[in-house]
Amino acid sequence: GAVVSQHPSRVICKSGTSVKIECRSLDFQATTMFWYRQFPKQSLMLMATSNEGSKATYEQGVEKDKFLINHASLTLSTLTVTSAHPEDSSFYICSARGDPSGGRQETQYFGPGTRLLVL
Amino acid sequence: DQQVKQNSPSLSVQEGRISILNCDYTNSMFDYFLWYKKYPAEGPTFLISISSIKDKNEDGRFTVFLNKSAKHLSLHIVPSQPGDSAVYFCAAKTGANNLFFGTGTRLTVIP
Repeated sequence: GAVVSQHPSRVICKSGTSVKIECRSLDFQATTMFWYRQFPKQSLMLMATSNEGSKATYEQGVEKDKFLINHASLTLSTLTVTSAHPEDSSFYICSARGDPSGGRQETQYFGPGTRLLVL
Repeated sequence: DQQVKQNSPSLSVQEGRISILNCDYTNSMFDYFLWYKKYPAEGPTFLISISSIKDKNEDGRFTVFLNKSAKHLSLHIVPSQPGDSAVYFCAAKTGANNLFFGTGTRLTVIP
């Protein structure tokens, strides 16, 4: 099946610093990538949708200047958490939707997630 | 507003028995439904899906049933195995739009 990777898997940073998380589709071209955030015991909350070569579309309540998303190629999207604060600590998950060989256009394939801890 | 709901936060089942996970939705425009399985500290893994034009889809031990009139879908796992223990999310979408996820049901299969 389609594989989506995320890097890093875990990051600890100081308050005020910026953190970049990479999301890659390894065996297919992802025309659309999604970034989610999950708080403990809660559902996945969509933060933003990014299409290759265009600006990301952010969900209501998500600060676009704080969560910078770049989808520069069909296999890579990055999420940068700028000036991170302890309340940004969470589990961030990306997903990719494209046309993987043998897959379905409707299916999103998820990365393994990145655990961010801001001290 | 939670458009996709999983009202049971947890479910325990004996190994070998059937696990039934339920999901309700409010948006009648949803036309595609998916189930994902998630282990702690990992991303969700796609499990099985169903289009709104069908009422059943089966893949090995996993079967998804869709009742459009009741806006309800369920995932049946039979026989349940200890490795099935995870959090299961149902999700729904309209056309090429984004997925809406439920809050998840933690399944524990007891050996």
